[in-house]
Amino acid sequence: NAGVTQTPKFQVLKTGQSMTLQCAQDMNHEYMSWYRQDPGMGLRLIHYSVGAGITDQGEVPNGYNVSRSTTEDFPLRLLSAAPSQTSVYFCASSYSWTGETGELFFGEGSRLTVL
Amino acid sequence: ILNVEQSPQSLHVQEGDSTNFTCSFPSSNFYALHWYRWETAKSPEALFVMTLNGDEKKKGRISATLNTKEGYSYLYIKGSQPEDSATYLCASVYFNKFYFGSGTKLNVKP
Repeated sequence: NAGVTQTPKFQVLKTGQSMTLQCAQDMNHEYMSWYRQDPGMGLRLIHYSVGAGITDQGEVPNGYNVSRSTTEDFPLRLLSAAPSQTSVYFCASSYSWTGETGELFFGEGSRLTVL
Repeated sequence: ILNVEQSPQSLHVQEGDSTNFTCSFPSSNFYALHWYRWETAKSPEALFVMTLNGDEKKKGRISATLNTKEGYSYLYIKGSQPEDSATYLCASVYFNKFYFGSGTKLNVKP
């Protein structure tokens, strides 16, 4: 059972380039979400999804795009990378989108550097 | 944007000491409070999911309490061990958004 799989683990981009962080889960979770983690700050919600075809914005959505065409996959797209997007990104999924009956399961993280 | 605060930011204790951390959160429209343990170079892993006022959870030497009316939760570790060294995160859930505190970093010295 793989759980939540994120790729790539490391990526270096130049300002203005675009890229996609991949996230897949094999637990049949309806809820999936993306967070960024910056020094001295907690995990901040970028976008989330409560099921295939349904996405919404979190705390810090600007500069990022998501889609959810299947239950399993939830890719995060950086449209035009900026140095402010240098961060560690985590994908997480849960059985419960209210947080009441299930915890978040996290991927291993993707470290992105934008030069 | 909702503010979830954790204190202290860091804690250094000796092996065998008991310790506790605080998580405070806005209590209106609250759904659940989660605690996660995050070891260096790993991903956060869930400790507890709490929903009811007065809820208490326990797992071995670690326990947590929740006060939803006043908006705080305590995490207790009894008889800390070096393997308890990690960052402890709390997350407050409001309808389908998880808001994390910045964590308490615990270092347990042998």
